[in-house]
Amino acid sequence: EDQVTQSPEALRLQEGESSSLNCSYTVSGLRGLFWYRQDPGKGPEFLFTLYSAGEEKEKERLKATLTKKESFLHITAPKPEDSATYLCAVQTAAAGNKLTFGGGTRVLVKP
Amino acid sequence: NAGVTQTPKFRVLKTGQSMTLLCAQDMNHEYMYWYRQDPGMGLRLIHYSVGEGTTAKGEVPDGYNVSRLKKQNFLLGLESAAPSQTSVYFCASKVAGGAYEQYFGPGTRLTVT
Repeated sequence: EDQVTQSPEALRLQEGESSSLNCSYTVSGLRGLFWYRQDPGKGPEFLFTLYSAGEEKEKERLKATLTKKESFLHITAPKPEDSATYLCAVQTAAAGNKLTFGGGTRVLVKP
Repeated sequence: NAGVTQTPKFRVLKTGQSMTLLCAQDMNHEYMYWYRQDPGMGLRLIHYSVGEGTTAKGEVPDGYNVSRLKKQNFLLGLESAAPSQTSVYFCASKVAGGAYEQYFGPGTRLTVT
């Protein structure tokens, strides 16, 4: 059974204080690892897809990396507008291109 | 493009009542999904469809039915609502095949009393 675990559950940061979120996974045959951002009362918004170990992707203050067992989402010099819940999900070769999600990390950036 | 839309946005049901949630997408996506999101449980897949006229069970299908009569629409039905179905429901869609991202709708908040 595919499993995805995110840590920490919640993270409080001061504006400008860089940090990292962890997503560890146990799957058979990873096809892709996805990061989403979710604001309160809204649907998840796609950020990145990572396909193989060693891959990195960046968008503004966010950088996602992937190893064979985990992914990290690094937030560099965060701003209050980076406050959100960040979700990690994996897709395997199973029928339907289904995603298995972790529980998310709630990030609060204080000014 | 509106992307993925869901109706209604909010709904309150009494135990035993039925309702249908509508998901529509204008991106010509083949695959569509219904998830529920509960505190501490993350997003869990209820049912999905890989094309018009096809549906399949996800992780938590009990108590729900779905239909995909048109490519752009995916309906989620609750025949006899239970308090355990109180949740936020999200619909998503994606292009067929490959590890491409799913696009999510804004969600429907359902309360069953």
